[in-house]
Amino acid sequence: DGGITQSPKYLFRKEGQNVTLSCEQNLNHDAMYWYRQDPGQGLRLIYYSQIVNDFQKGDIAEGYSVSREKKESFPLTVTSAQKNPTAFYLCASLNTGTGNTIYFGEGSWLTVV
Amino acid sequence: ELKVEQNPLFLSMQEGKNYTIYCNYSTTSDRLYWYRQDPGKSLESLFVLLSNGAVKQEGRLMASLDTKARLSTLHITAAVHDLSATYFCAVDPTDSWGKLQFGAGTQVVVTP
Repeated sequence: DGGITQSPKYLFRKEGQNVTLSCEQNLNHDAMYWYRQDPGQGLRLIYYSQIVNDFQKGDIAEGYSVSREKKESFPLTVTSAQKNPTAFYLCASLNTGTGNTIYFGEGSWLTVV
Repeated sequence: ELKVEQNPLFLSMQEGKNYTIYCNYSTTSDRLYWYRQDPGKSLESLFVLLSNGAVKQEGRLMASLDTKARLSTLHITAAVHDLSATYFCAVDPTDSWGKLQFGAGTQVVVTP
């Protein structure tokens, strides 16, 4: 089945550690996104990529990094510079053809311990 | 900076009655999305609106887009308990296509 796979679903990070969240899609979509959602809040854009080997900062990119070496993969690294990383992270991809539809992964819960 | 405002942020609905959620945005766009989110879950796509005057309906939900007024509405007809969730609108701005911005969400609770 086509879709977006995020892993891990739950992740605990110690202070000062970098962690990487995986996002893989087999939908052949060009554009991919990372959003952060805090409890009871909307989604805020961290990074997005419209093509392989290119990505742009969103509204809250500080403390995060991404790469887009392959069309199907868009991993997000939460660095130690991100002081409040506890949140729900959602990856998405966009079908830029007719009838644009955005597909979301199941999300990853990151908790700092 | 694009701002997307939803109202109300919380909506207590009685079963069988009709309600509307509003989504206002501050910049030019002709692409607007509506999503549903259940607690602890990801987002489920409800509607994609791609032109002025677009209207889409699915079951008890109907969404419309007025790009001149920069307004989208999500209308709920004869609310039922299964519609309890948080509803988000998202806007894709014309001047920075692909940089989607979400509203804060409307938490809907449907009671008998």
